[in-house]
Amino acid sequence: EAGVTQFPSHSVIEKGQTVTLRCDPISGHDNLYWYRRVMGKEIKFLLHFVKESKQDESGMPNNRFLAERTGGTYSTLKVQPAELEDSGVYFCASSPGDRVGYGYTFGSGTRLTVV
Amino acid sequence: AQSVTQLGSHVSVSEGALVLLRCNYSSSVPPYLFWYVQYPNQGLQLLLKYTSAATLVKGINGFEAEFKKSETSFHLTKPSAHMSDAAEYFCAVSLAGGTSYGKLTFGQGTILTVHP
Repeated sequence: EAGVTQFPSHSVIEKGQTVTLRCDPISGHDNLYWYRRVMGKEIKFLLHFVKESKQDESGMPNNRFLAERTGGTYSTLKVQPAELEDSGVYFCASSPGDRVGYGYTFGSGTRLTVV
Repeated sequence: AQSVTQLGSHVSVSEGALVLLRCNYSSSVPPYLFWYVQYPNQGLQLLLKYTSAATLVKGINGFEAEFKKSETSFHLTKPSAHMSDAAEYFCAVSLAGGTSYGKLTFGQGTILTVHP
């Protein structure tokens, strides 16, 4: 089966611009997660979708971040306007509905650099 | 709430030596525990996971970890290090229930260096 796909793999934008990251989960996986690693820090949870609904968005840093999951398939994470501190690697993961909590598959990540 | 502590942000071993990466966790409900590895310029790859079955878990590339509830530990070991093991390793926990159900909490990561 195809894995979790993220794109772009790298993005360099200027402060104040908008960037949209995309994640395509494994087909049929109801659960989709976004995580972020800022340089020098641990990987942190951003939010969790179950199908198209936000189950938990407690990790979203502020209202400049907007996540959507259209029709319960792919997800986008938009940062608008981007700030320097948003730089980092953004990971997406998905898991089947019957393996919540342990059936994760991660994508390769998007490295975002805000200059 | 759950948390993970990895002891040692950098570990250096010689090729052929034992690898021991330490992880301690805290959780209010039974945990699932994971070790992930990230090679340079790559994504997160699952090494192994504990999901309440056998306490000694074997993973890929010769790694294994033992869940010790009394010590709240899940240390990662490999008997003989190989140069290709050089990478960053992450311990993570998720919960089988509760309000944090489904999300992973990661440790700070340990960079493993292997010397010839």
